[in-house]
Amino acid sequence: QKEVEQDPGPLSVPEGAIVSLNCTYSNSAFQYFMWYRQYSRKGPELLMYTYSSGNKEDGRFTAQVDKSSKYISLFIRDSQPSDSATYLCALDSSYKLIFGSGTRLLVRP
Amino acid sequence: EAQVTQNPRYLITVTGKKLTVTCSQNMNHEYMSWYRQDPGLGLRQIYYSMNVEVTDKGDVPEGYKVSRKEKRNFPLILESPSPNQTSLYFCASSLGQGAGEQYFGPGTRLTVT
Repeated sequence: QKEVEQDPGPLSVPEGAIVSLNCTYSNSAFQYFMWYRQYSRKGPELLMYTYSSGNKEDGRFTAQVDKSSKYISLFIRDSQPSDSATYLCALDSSYKLIFGSGTRLLVRP
Repeated sequence: EAQVTQNPRYLITVTGKKLTVTCSQNMNHEYMSWYRQDPGLGLRQIYYSMNVEVTDKGDVPEGYKVSRKEKRNFPLILESPSPNQTSLYFCASSLGQGAGEQYFGPGTRLTVT
């Protein structure tokens, strides 16, 4: 079983839709959780960084962590074509990040 | 501008010809790391460094070497590249000595023929 599972997509939505991206993980010891956005031919860009369970909001983005279910989510409100990218969840394992395989998101104008 | 830079951005080479990919950060970060990204396998850590002169293996270190002689630089060395090292490579850094919030470079696309 992979440490982090993420649906690869692609996920195609119309502009303005609410997008939900998710990851599940297996090790309950993880405490820090991140979401990265990666545009084609670019390096991953840190979007959200959360500690333990709960929600964190930043503009149109909300990160949610449910440690009891080992489930993390990223919600994008009022999605824009510029949000089209691959979204990677990442878990902080002390000296390395463990990444999900990424979900490709396409927001149609 | 705070950033992580990598050079070269693109490289095509032949099997066995030693090469170095440079990585530099201007944020005074303690931690630096190298990843490779392959389709279907995602991002996998090659090596990391908690601070100067301290390095350790990640998940896929075979065929790679690193050194950390200065805080800002963390070069990746392929002594004898092979075709299975064809990949997209990313350098990253973070403020503390742990993985933390990592900031990534733009990537180096390497092809070994």
